[in-house]
Amino acid sequence: QKEVEQDPGPLSVPEGAIVSLNCTYSNSAFQYFMWYRQYSRKGPELLMYTYSSGNKEDGRFTAQVDKSSKYISLFIRDSQPSDSATYLCAMSAARDDKIIFGKGTRLHILP
Amino acid sequence: DTAVSQTPKYLVTQMGNDKSIKCEQNLGHDTMYWYKQDSKKFLKIMFSYNNKELIINETVPNRFSPKSPDKAHLNLHINSLELGDSAVYFCASSQVTTGADYGYTFGSGTRLTVV
Repeated sequence: QKEVEQDPGPLSVPEGAIVSLNCTYSNSAFQYFMWYRQYSRKGPELLMYTYSSGNKEDGRFTAQVDKSSKYISLFIRDSQPSDSATYLCAMSAARDDKIIFGKGTRLHILP
Repeated sequence: DTAVSQTPKYLVTQMGNDKSIKCEQNLGHDTMYWYKQDSKKFLKIMFSYNNKELIINETVPNRFSPKSPDKAHLNLHINSLELGDSAVYFCASSQVTTGADYGYTFGSGTRLTVV
């Protein structure tokens, strides 16, 4: 089993819909959880960062971590065509430990 | 003002050649990284340097050699390039020791094509 599993998609949803992106992981030591967004031919950029379990909201984005299920989610409300990108989950066990990335989910928001 | 800059953006070269990719960050971060993203978009760490010291060295062929002349620069030299080295190479930096911020700042990538 890979350390971090993420459905590669593509996921196509109409503009304005709520998008749900998910990752599962196997390493119970992971404590830091991130979501990165990567536009085509660009580097990944950090969207959200969560420590341990719980929810975090930032504008239209909400990150959820359920450590008991080893499951993390990113919700995008009122999705826009500009949200079309690849979303990568990432996690690490400690602040100075390497970050492990999921393979990314390609998201298309249809106008 | 670009935070993490890589050069070149594109590199096309023949098998067997030696090439270098340069990376510079102006964020004052202590730690820098090289990641490889393959054709399936999987992002995998290669190396990590903290204040010029190598701290992560994943299972990477020894044809790949990182060099950090100072904490703002991390270069990647690749000897005897092979077809399988074709990928996008990302440099990143982070400040892991202090502060609430976490996560990496990535450069825009170097697309290497070996022919």
